[in-house]
Amino acid sequence: QITLKESGPTLVKPTQTLTLTCTFSGFSLSTSGVGVGWIRQPPGKALEWLALIYWNDDKRYSPSLKIRLTITKDTSKNQVVLTMTNMDPVDTATYYCAHRHYYYDSSGYYHRRDFHYWGQGTLVTVSS
Amino acid sequence: DIQMTQSPSSLSASVGDRVTITCQASQDISNYLNWYQQKPGKAPKLLIYDASNLETGVPSRFSGSGSGTDFTFTISRLQPEDFATYYCQQYDDLPRTFGQGTKLEIK
Repeated sequence: QITLKESGPTLVKPTQTLTLTCTFSGFSLSTSGVGVGWIRQPPGKALEWLALIYWNDDKRYSPSLKIRLTITKDTSKNQVVLTMTNMDPVDTATYYCAHRHYYYDSSGYYHRRDFHYWGQGTLVTVSS
Repeated sequence: DIQMTQSPSSLSASVGDRVTITCQASQDISNYLNWYQQKPGKAPKLLIYDASNLETGVPSRFSGSGSGTDFTFTISRLQPEDFATYYCQQYDDLPRTFGQGTKLEIK
């Protein structure tokens, strides 16, 4: 059973750096094809993809936020950490982590499974 | 970036109605499309993947179709628990992108 859970501060001040941790179980980030992504959702607004880290430590970021984001993994702890610098009130949102993987079946057919499992989310408010 | 245009943005319907939501991608995404349901204060829940495959445990009244750039999501007979917000999401390319959502409300 795959589970993910986000943790981190609920309140940060403008210009501070946000550090969020995604702790997961039911899979390993050392398994080929596996990845963990971060998605956020401002109150009352749509979902926005932020970053993704793969089993091989390949990292990808939203182009609009790339300079502010860093994603890392600790395979031994089953954790993925997202840092976002220079926080602003517009970054107030619920932040989610989610699982993704790709694999080849017995027929050699390629499958992608993006974000089938999500954490419960953590609301981060940016305010002085 | 691939833009996902979802419509309508809101929809009023009654229990038992059939409802349809569309999602258009700005370029060909093959069938790499998810549909999610989200209720207030909850994480999105995956309903449909690969444009038309029903996620395990999801009722069969939910369905999806399409490929390339045009996709459709249908609820065949609305149940009270289906009133929520629905999102499409492409996973053909990075950055991953979502539709703006469709809020389904009780008429």
